[in-house]
Amino acid sequence: DGGITQSPKYLFRKEGQNVTLSCEQNLNHDAMYWYRQDPGQGLRLIYYSQIVNDFQKGDIAEGYSVSREKKESFPLTVTSAQKNPTAFYLCASRRTGVNQYEQFFGPGTRLTVL
Amino acid sequence: AQSVTQLDSHVSVSEGTPVLLRCNYSSSYSPSLFWYVQHPNKGLQLLLKYTSAATLVKGINGFEAEFKKSETSFHLTKPSAHMSDAAEYFCVVSDTMDSSYKLIFGSGTRLLVRP
Repeated sequence: DGGITQSPKYLFRKEGQNVTLSCEQNLNHDAMYWYRQDPGQGLRLIYYSQIVNDFQKGDIAEGYSVSREKKESFPLTVTSAQKNPTAFYLCASRRTGVNQYEQFFGPGTRLTVL
Repeated sequence: AQSVTQLDSHVSVSEGTPVLLRCNYSSSYSPSLFWYVQHPNKGLQLLLKYTSAATLVKGINGFEAEFKKSETSFHLTKPSAHMSDAAEYFCVVSDTMDSSYKLIFGSGTRLLVRP
């Protein structure tokens, strides 16, 4: 089955630590996204990548970093500079092309700062 | 700028009764609109999408939505609620004028289904 996998499902971080969230897709999609979800709110865009070796900041990129070395992988690092990292993180991908706006989501990673 | 407003943060219905989740959008051009559903601690699943082909859009699990340009609305309906429909629902617009094609989310409506 094609889809998006995220790991781990739950992640605990101590103050001052960097942590990396994994996102892998086998849908052969060019574009990938990271969103953050806080309780009672919709999702907000952190970073996105439209092609391998290229990525752009989204609306709330401060304190986060990404890489896109392979088409199927788009890991997100939450750095110690992120002041309030406790949230639910969702990865998504999109097929590029004319009128291709739908995004497919992974199951998410819940990050808690201790 | 594009945006969506979900008019109800919570909706409660009895099993077997109709469901109506309301969404208004703001866009200066023809939008691409979606409804996604999220069950607790899960990712988002696409229910349906509007991309200007037809104003009445049918989705999965018996849901449908009607695009009304004159009212700038895209309300989600289902004739008969099932217990498994209890979840968070998001009305979403794709920012097709932004190079990211990012999705812009409403704040969500939590659907409660009473036995």
